[in-house]
Amino acid sequence: GNSVTQMEGPVTLSEEAFLTINCTYTATGYPSLFWYVQYPGEGLQLLLKATKADDKGSNKGFEATYRKETTSFHLEKGSVQVSDSAVYFCARGGTGNQFYFGTGTSLTVIP
Amino acid sequence: GAVVSQHPSRVICKSGTSVKIECRSLDFQATTMFWYRQFPKQSLMLMATSNEGSKATYEQGVEKDKFLINHASLTLSTLTVTSAHPEDSSFYICSARDPASGGADTQYFGPGTRLTVL
Repeated sequence: GNSVTQMEGPVTLSEEAFLTINCTYTATGYPSLFWYVQYPGEGLQLLLKATKADDKGSNKGFEATYRKETTSFHLEKGSVQVSDSAVYFCARGGTGNQFYFGTGTSLTVIP
Repeated sequence: GAVVSQHPSRVICKSGTSVKIECRSLDFQATTMFWYRQFPKQSLMLMATSNEGSKATYEQGVEKDKFLINHASLTLSTLTVTSAHPEDSSFYICSARDPASGGADTQYFGPGTRLTVL
């Protein structure tokens, strides 16, 4: 089964609003956690990552903290822009070839 | 660093023909690449793992005779969709790991190839 669960979208926000996209995972150990972003018609780009508990990944104003106690890696941004409109995927690493993705959350930011 | 390219970005073909998609690591060597398939508004589904110099490893339910994978060099993997049918229409994305820049478990993705089979 899918070991990454993220908030279903779509999410629509006004410019400069606060963004949270929830992501939780299941794992027997402490896998690396990732957020990828997919702009329309493009592939996935690594947005940020965290490799161990309490690590905070950050990039382009986005942040996510690896919370072992709640098995979560929620994505946040204090003030979204129209250019942030995209689909965001939470993912976790695994052993060998496995790389588990959430179902993606579509974000639309309106001016 | 860690750039992955794909070619073509978009292809339209007739039913029954074969289509080859290339995935290249531009600034690093990748002994392992991954091929994913993405349906509209859905997540990525791992199809197979491409291993340089050896056979690809396919995920359960993926037909290896239909989706031929060749990883002939450390910078190139190809996916050939043989005898394509309309149900093969999808967005195909490859990825590779670059331990030198992102750690052993970070995957870098190509821009994807949109396949449409008429």
